[in-house]
Amino acid sequence: TQLLEQSPQFLSIQEGENLTVYCNSSSVFSSLQWYRQEPGEGPVLLVTVVTGGEVKKLKRLTFQFGDARKDSSLHITAAQPGDTGLYLCAGATGNQFYFGTGTSLTVIP
Amino acid sequence: GAGVSQTPSNKVTEKGKYVELRCDPISGHTALYWYRQSLGQGPEFLIYFQGTGAADDSGLPNDRFFAVRPEGSVSTLKIQRTERGDSAVYLCASSLGYWPNEKLFFGSGTQLSVL
Repeated sequence: TQLLEQSPQFLSIQEGENLTVYCNSSSVFSSLQWYRQEPGEGPVLLVTVVTGGEVKKLKRLTFQFGDARKDSSLHITAAQPGDTGLYLCAGATGNQFYFGTGTSLTVIP
Repeated sequence: GAGVSQTPSNKVTEKGKYVELRCDPISGHTALYWYRQSLGQGPEFLIYFQGTGAADDSGLPNDRFFAVRPEGSVSTLKIQRTERGDSAVYLCASSLGYWPNEKLFFGSGTQLSVL
């Protein structure tokens, strides 16, 4: 059972374009994380957001946690081919992390 | 080691066989998680250990799946009477256990193929 729905599921864009990935749930989470995963590797943590409404920036990536702590978004500015990968959100509740359904991003040079 | 190590990296078995998947976490990490991931999908939670005990095994799909962590370090995921539907990448992650700012460190996974 995956409590977090991500959209879009697939995204293919040209280098230099901007994009936003959404992560939605009906559940409240104590924190939310975003990971990026490349083929044959495990997910790698990008950021953790804890407070409702929190915004964090990591170079060209901007992460936002919803006010109600049920949803999050990831915005990438001026995408580069190196951004290609599977983006996963993960919500923490209790002592578990529930992962989202994933967004596969391809950035075309 | 420097990171989470999973062995084997690939395992091919026949339907009905028994398999063991091993995870060596980062030294000093008290928390250990097992996930299962299908191609292009998000990881699905299986079980969480805090030290030697399974703090939450609610994600194990049925009684053919079992995991141990006898000394609070290495963990083994055991699957009995494998079925074709068990084919997936099995991921292990470890962490220091500092909620809610947990940082999960993942291994590269074991690709299990049941023929």
